[in-house]
Amino acid sequence: GENVEQHPSTLSVQEGDSAVIKCTYSDSASNYFPWYKQELGKGPQLIIDIRSNVGEKKDQRIAVTLNKTAKHFSLHITETQPEDSAVYFCAARYSGYSTLTFGKGTMLLVSP
Amino acid sequence: GAVVSQHPSRVICKSGTSVKIECRSLDFQATTMFWYRQFPKQSLMLMATSNEGSKATYEQGVEKDKFLINHASLTLSTLTVASAHPEDSSFYICSASSGARSYEQYFGPGTRLTVT
Repeated sequence: GENVEQHPSTLSVQEGDSAVIKCTYSDSASNYFPWYKQELGKGPQLIIDIRSNVGEKKDQRIAVTLNKTAKHFSLHITETQPEDSAVYFCAARYSGYSTLTFGKGTMLLVSP
Repeated sequence: GAVVSQHPSRVICKSGTSVKIECRSLDFQATTMFWYRQFPKQSLMLMATSNEGSKATYEQGVEKDKFLINHASLTLSTLTVASAHPEDSSFYICSASSGARSYEQYFGPGTRLTVT
C-alpha cells in the first residue's frame, strides 16, 4: 500500500517568514495530493490540493508543488501569520482506491 | 465550500453504555463517508469506509461489532460505540466525499468522546 512520509514534525518561524513542509509518497500510481490544516480540537480543513497532471498550484499565500518523478510534494506558505499556527497534514490517494493515506503531521508555530 | 457537521461535539459517558455520533453532509450528497480516530498529537487513523446503502468496510484491527456504522442516506452516517470503555476515549472525526467531486474529502469538526 501507499506510504507517506512528512517532514519536519515541528516547524517554528517568525511572522512574515515563509514555511515549507515536505512529503514523499511511495506509490507512483497515486494521483491526488491534498493538504489539511488542523487547529487544536477541530477537524482537518482542506486548504489546497493538487492532482498528478499539475506541477504547481497556488491560492493566495499558499502553494503546493508536485514532483512526480521524485514522488514528493511540498506545501509553501508565504508571509506567515500567527493564525497559520496549526498542525498540517499531507495525504495521498492511492489510485483506484477511495481512501487517503496521511502523513504524520507537522506542527507549525508562527511567532509574532 | 462543502460542509460536514458532527453531533455531538463532546460526549461523556459511563463505561458500558453506548454512544452514537452523527455525521452529516450539509450541502452535498456524500456517496462515501469515512470514520477516523485520532489520538493526541497523532495522525488520523482510518476506522472504516461506508458507502450509502452498503455495509461499511472496516480497517484491519477495528472491531465491527464494537464500532457500528450506518450510512442510511446520502447525507447521514452514524457511528455507534457499543459498550464503551475508557480505552475508547478519543477524538472521532468523520469525512465525506461525493461522486461528483470524488477527489476531495471534507472533514467534520470531530467528536471528543470521554468514557469514565
